Amino acid sequence: AQTVTQSQPEMSVQEAETVTLSCTYDTSENNYYLFWYKQPPSRQMILVIRQEAYKQQNATENRFSVNFQKAAKSFSLKISDSQLGDTAMYFCAFMKGGGSQGNLIFGKGTKLSVKP
Amino acid sequence: SAVISQKPSRDICQRGTSLTIQCQVDSQVTMMFWYRQQPGQSLTLIATANQGSEATYESGFVIDKFPISRPNLTFSTLTVSNLSPEDSSIYLCSVEDPRTGVQHFGDGTRLSIL
Repeated sequence: AQTVTQSQPEMSVQEAETVTLSCTYDTSENNYYLFWYKQPPSRQMILVIRQEAYKQQNATENRFSVNFQKAAKSFSLKISDSQLGDTAMYFCAFMKGGGSQGNLIFGKGTKLSVKP
Repeated sequence: SAVISQKPSRDICQRGTSLTIQCQVDSQVTMMFWYRQQPGQSLTLIATANQGSEATYESGFVIDKFPISRPNLTFSTLTVSNLSPEDSSIYLCSVEDPRTGVQHFGDGTRLSIL
């Protein structure tokens, strides 16, 4: 069975600084996707970034980038130039590939606070 | 990405009653998913709802407690039956974009039980 571990329950960062959120996972699959979702207090789950396991290049989306280490089964999220609006719960998630598999496996989340 | 509307956004219910949550998508989708997020916890998949067939439930979730309907390709409902305080959670529906594997979520329903 797949598992996703986020070892940092809470983190804080000063506005405009850079922060890295950690995520490790365990799977025997070779084809899968990894995601970071953001959940602000409004509770909506918002996709931040997506990585396909077969791609060696790390995904980037504006200020958000990942460090995907497949051999180490590590998938960290780096937020550059942190903004107050980045304050939220961040969830790392895993999904098997090979067609519509559905089941997203989530980590327990990291609560990020961006301080002015 | 698909626009997902979920109703109600919140509700407070009495013990022993039931609540039906609706999820409407602005485009046809094959698979819809229902998740539960207990207070301070992560999301757990309840079931997968395909149009024209019975929902597939994850371990620990049963149809009698969480009946699901999927009458067409744009709509689904989740009912939480015989409510107890342990059912106080946020319930979220999601749909998968088959081109990318990304699941997009509705805004969630916050359910509290008196």
